[in-house]
Amino acid sequence: AQSVAQPEDQVNVAEGNPLTVKCTYSVSGNPYLFWYVQYPNRGLQFLLKYITGDNLVKGSYGFEAEFNKSQTSFHLKKPSALVSDSALYFCAVRVLSSGGSYIPTFGRGTSLIVHP
Amino acid sequence: EAGVTQSPTHLIKTRGQQVTLRCSPISGHTSVYWYQQALGLGLQFLLWYDEGEERNRGNFPPRFSGRQFPNYSSELNVNALELEDSALYLCASSLVVGTGYAGYGYTFGSGTRLTVV
Repeated sequence: AQSVAQPEDQVNVAEGNPLTVKCTYSVSGNPYLFWYVQYPNRGLQFLLKYITGDNLVKGSYGFEAEFNKSQTSFHLKKPSALVSDSALYFCAVRVLSSGGSYIPTFGRGTSLIVHP
Repeated sequence: EAGVTQSPTHLIKTRGQQVTLRCSPISGHTSVYWYQQALGLGLQFLLWYDEGEERNRGNFPPRFSGRQFPNYSSELNVNALELEDSALYLCASSLVVGTGYAGYGYTFGSGTRLTVV
């Protein structure tokens, strides 16, 4: 089955430390992968995407993600976390539906908490 | 450029009632997606509309329905509301390029918070 998984419900990190939010996927064909961030009572904001090209993708607010085809992963990273990075992070993949169309499918989300 | 706008922002309804949520996509975007974000369940795909037609539907009962208008705005209707319908309903839009291709990115609105009591 085509899907995306975020194995951690919550990630805790100290301010200034590097952070990683994990995402794995299972799709047929080439994956189109996305990361979004959601602040409380808000919609999702686009961070970055991987379509093709370099495996390391740079996005908004200093975030980057590494595409690893052999491990079917697309982990979100940031070298130095800020308290303001605390939010809910969603990984998404474009999935081919039974009707032949592509639907963005989201993971369950990972709550990132950055401690001062 | 205006983003995706959703209305109302908050709504309280009684079980059994009906509700209509509205979404205006980014200008030029022809595809509108609806998602339900219930507590602890992540984003669940509800419906996808493109060029006025329903293109795909998630695993939700028929009392969840909608439509897309000629200006590409969309409505989500929920009939016979149940307590578990309480959630944040998010709308996203994208530019569909070619047949079966759902665009590079999806721009989300801020959502409608529906509470069913």
